[in-house]
Amino acid sequence: GDSVTQMEGPVTLSEEAFLTINCTYTATGYPSLFWYVQYPGEGLQLLLKATKADDKGSNKGFEATYRKETTSFHLEKGSVQVSDSAVYFCALSSDSNYQLIWGAGTKLIIKP
Amino acid sequence: DVKVTQSSRYLVKRTGEKVFLECVQDMDHENMFWYRQDPGLGLRLIYFSYDVKMKEKGDIPEGYSVSREKKERFSLILESASTNQTSMYLCASRRNRDSNQPQHFGDGTRLSIL
Repeated sequence: GDSVTQMEGPVTLSEEAFLTINCTYTATGYPSLFWYVQYPGEGLQLLLKATKADDKGSNKGFEATYRKETTSFHLEKGSVQVSDSAVYFCALSSDSNYQLIWGAGTKLIIKP
Repeated sequence: DVKVTQSSRYLVKRTGEKVFLECVQDMDHENMFWYRQDPGLGLRLIYFSYDVKMKEKGDIPEGYSVSREKKERFSLILESASTNQTSMYLCASRRNRDSNQPQHFGDGTRLSIL
């Protein structure tokens, strides 16, 4: 069945460092891919999405490119801030499975 | 912007009580979802609803039921609360079944069963 694998956390970086959180997926067909963010004590917010191969989603300085050849959707940001500290979830949705398939989440800690 | 509102941020109930968690969305979305989130277990789908009066079991429906009498409202019911149902509960809505549509989440209800 469909699945999503994220890098384990926590990921700890210094402010202004470059961020990559890896996400790979297994799916039949052509899934849509999403990144969500969860700040402490809050619900999940959609961060960005991509719906077809080579699409790049972007928001708030974060980017992710839908790579079908490597079945990946890695999240990147050029310069992180303390306020980016949160848990990040990668997810996919496919026509064969109308639910979202979730990764386990990656906790990001940014130190000043 | 889509607004998904959960009735309580924090709730404390006793074992054996019947507990209602309410969720309302304001964007005329067809689909609604209930998840629970536990440390180390990630997000797990309890129930979802494709449209009014429709419901489908998710991955962990045992001990829960749902109601969707109106399109904007999706209620999660713990028939007889138990301590293992202490968790963070998240409600979400989605415009329709198209796979490119994202889910939009409420702020969550942290439920403690004593």
